[in-house]
Amino acid sequence: IVLTQSPDFQSVTPKEEVTIACRASQSIGRSLHWYQQKPGQSPKLLINYASQSLSGAPSRFSGSGSGTDFTLTISSLEAEDAATYYCHQSSSLPFTFGQGTKLEIK
Amino acid sequence: EVQLVESGGGVVQPGGSLRISCAASGIPVSRSYMSWVRQAPGKGLEWVSVIYSAGNTYYADSVKGRFTISRDNSKNTLYLQMNSLGVEDTAVYFCARDNDQYFYAMDVWGQGTTVTVS
Repeated sequence: IVLTQSPDFQSVTPKEEVTIACRASQSIGRSLHWYQQKPGQSPKLLINYASQSLSGAPSRFSGSGSGTDFTLTISSLEAEDAATYYCHQSSSLPFTFGQGTKLEIK
Repeated sequence: EVQLVESGGGVVQPGGSLRISCAASGIPVSRSYMSWVRQAPGKGLEWVSVIYSAGNTYYADSVKGRFTISRDNSKNTLYLQMNSLGVEDTAVYFCARDNDQYFYAMDVWGQGTTVTVS
């Protein structure tokens, strides 16, 4: 299953709302997860099963979607949100990741 | 504390072999789904392999037949044996837990170990 994220790169200002899309090449139900990775760090799970937030994750991160189309929304962007975001499907093997979306804070 | 610590990375010549390890604390590898994920320099994440709690193993096509995932339950450690390495295998290798409570999202990650094929 190929996951295609859009956009590849986005430059945004603080307090702006950001939406990152992830499209699957075939239906994956809700088995879609989102990660944040900052330079030199391991990825961090933000959202699992399309829309379930992790305890400890900031409430400004939310996810939605099912089937083939999913979105990650960051409301009121903060400077610390500068990172690369990846979607990941665990619906069927081989598991796959999207190519990543890099967010730059202006 | 729940923790994964990778080790064993290094520089290896093309065609060579290397085994990397992932020592787990607070996570029983024998009862967990555990994955290896890699990241080539400046690139995105690539899923490599998974071992299920029952022992089933699966691989990405890019490493199938060359890499072997395994675990030592007594040491609570996950391994990745890598043979016939090529320059395309140069990457940081992360181990991660696929948490069934999170529909197999990877909720715990190690810090990564760097493998350079040159």
